[in-house]
Amino acid sequence: GAGVSQSPRYKVAKRGQDVALRCDPISGHVSLFWYQQALGQGPEFLTYFQNEAQLDKSGLPSDRFFAERPEGSVSTLKIQRTQQEDSAVYLCASSPEGGRGYTFGSGTRLTVV
Amino acid sequence: GDSVTQMEGPVTLSEEAFLTINCTYTATGYPSLFWYVQYPGEGLQLLLKATKADDKGSNKGFEATYRKETTSFHLEKGSVQVSDSAVYFCALSENSGYSTLTFGKGTMLLVSP
Repeated sequence: GAGVSQSPRYKVAKRGQDVALRCDPISGHVSLFWYQQALGQGPEFLTYFQNEAQLDKSGLPSDRFFAERPEGSVSTLKIQRTQQEDSAVYLCASSPEGGRGYTFGSGTRLTVV
Repeated sequence: GDSVTQMEGPVTLSEEAFLTINCTYTATGYPSLFWYVQYPGEGLQLLLKATKADDKGSNKGFEATYRKETTSFHLEKGSVQVSDSAVYFCALSENSGYSTLTFGKGTMLLVSP
């Protein structure tokens, strides 16, 4: 597509519920990144994929967070047993090579109540 | 680890005023530096970048110069417009590997007519 598409735009989850956030990167982009942006803060790195391989997951805050990109295109970020501190905007970005020339999606705003 | 510090907002200016948003960084290597802008309801957009010392990035009337001696990358614009109202993020990436971004907390700019 023309840009990075994320869905849903907004998600309200009850504490303890599992959620799945989707990212459709720009077609052909090899690199895909997930970032978490808490209210009033800058984005923080969560994880990085090169094609289908998850090369870096050092930013995932706990083992409740899981990301996948099984066919090297669409990616899903899953959060199990959501907690209030998970409330944030989750941003996806893709790049044609090694992180140069990021394009960000508009993000998914997750609110855990 | 790497970090970015930028001035707290909001910065409130009248149209046609001069803008400066300060940004300083700490990095273990020799990073590339970026300014991103986030308009309400939209994703992060790259505003400008610089990859080596004394480089000046510029776009849409905005400028920033990579100052290695002061580890700074201050954003400037000579005459702001109402349409420049947004949140501005300073960021860096190490010039190795897949280059994850480290962001500052963001500075909100409000321009009134």
